[in-house]
Amino acid sequence: TQLLEQSPQFLSIQEGENLTVYCNSSSVFSSLQWYRQEPGEGPVLLVTVVTGGEVKKLKRLTFQFGDARKDSSLHITAAQPGDTGLYLCAGSTSGSARQLTFGSGTQLTVLP
Amino acid sequence: KAGVTQTPRYLIKTRGQQVTLSCSPISGHRSVSWYQQTPGQGLQFLFEYFSETQRNKGNFPGRFSGRQFSNSRSEMNVSTLELGDSALYLCASSLRKEWDKYEQYFGPGTRLTVT
Repeated sequence: TQLLEQSPQFLSIQEGENLTVYCNSSSVFSSLQWYRQEPGEGPVLLVTVVTGGEVKKLKRLTFQFGDARKDSSLHITAAQPGDTGLYLCAGSTSGSARQLTFGSGTQLTVLP
Repeated sequence: KAGVTQTPRYLIKTRGQQVTLSCSPISGHRSVSWYQQTPGQGLQFLFEYFSETQRNKGNFPGRFSGRQFSNSRSEMNVSTLELGDSALYLCASSLRKEWDKYEQYFGPGTRLTVT
């Protein structure tokens, strides 16, 4: 059974601060996806990483996949109130490519 | 291109009843996955259908079932509802990126409340 541990669970910061969210597992994933979810809505895909050591940037968001493909991080630079939401990491394996294992999520609140 | 659609968005049922939820994937996507999201357990995989066949199944009781039609639309059914089935049920359709790598796009979900 693959497990994804996500930390921190809650994060409250001031506008303009930087933050990092971590997603760790003892299992190897063939790909890992990051989502953001607003209350009462479905998760929205932010990025997919598939190669160990891969770094992807999406404006102020930087995503990294660990070399061993067991961990990932999301770094937000100069956070804004619009970044508030639930951030979820989700991984899939080669044997079950269309079955995602989700982390428990990080609830981010950015205060103006 | 239209996104994943789910109907209904909200549903209130009584214990012991059954419920059917519907999902239409993004046009051209042949795979539909279902997830249950609760505050205590987070997002958990229910099952996945590809070309009308169930390919993967999560650790849920047999009261949870699903099917997929030839147009890729999918339904999930929960029979003999329990209070613990109250959750946001999410449907996702998959886009293949590489041989064994897919991206999943989620619908807005159906909020089921069991009283």
